[in-house]
Amino acid sequence: GESVGLHLPTLSVQEGDNSIINCAYSNSASDYFIWYKQESGKGPQFIIDIRSNMDKRQGQRVTVLLNKTVKHLSLQIAATQPGDSAVYFCAENTSGTYKYIFGTGTRLKVLA
Amino acid sequence: DSGVTQTPKHLITATGQRVTLRCSPRSGDLSVYWYQQSLDQGLQFLIQYYNGEERAKGNILERFSAQQFPDLHSELNLSSLELGDSALYFCASSSGLAYRTDTQYFGPGTRLTVL
Repeated sequence: GESVGLHLPTLSVQEGDNSIINCAYSNSASDYFIWYKQESGKGPQFIIDIRSNMDKRQGQRVTVLLNKTVKHLSLQIAATQPGDSAVYFCAENTSGTYKYIFGTGTRLKVLA
Repeated sequence: DSGVTQTPKHLITATGQRVTLRCSPRSGDLSVYWYQQSLDQGLQFLIQYYNGEERAKGNILERFSAQQFPDLHSELNLSSLELGDSALYFCASSSGLAYRTDTQYFGPGTRLTVL
């Protein structure tokens, strides 16, 4: 069946370093992807999205890379800060459908 | 602040009881989604409404039901509650228009504890 998964449940990085969070998806028909950040006790917060006609998109301190060949998505956070500590989810969607599939999440811990 | 509101923030009840969770979508959004998030689990899609009508159904139990009202707010009803229903319940809203990027924006969630 369809699935979106994250390889690492917990990622620890030093403050100031770059973070890379990975996500694999299995539905080759998926053409829209989102990264969400979920802080403790809060709802998921939209970070950045990318459509399948792109392989890279940049935001403020964040970059999403999409490799359709291997069905892999990554979120890069530059100069990681304590406020980046959270659980990060990827989600996939197929145009024309209304169903989003979410990964289980990766917990990012920023070490001072 | 995503613009999506959910009430109540916390709910503690007993097994066998029935509760109602409420969600108000962002201004202008026509679509509402409900998700369940159990401890250490990802988001499980329950159900989606668009402009008052059910559009998609996920892993929603028969004991659960939802509706979207003419003013577009939505309610999720959980009945015959079991201990395993304890979870965070999130509502998300989106424009619901499939011809453009239809990002979902999440509310702060309702934490349900069944004792």
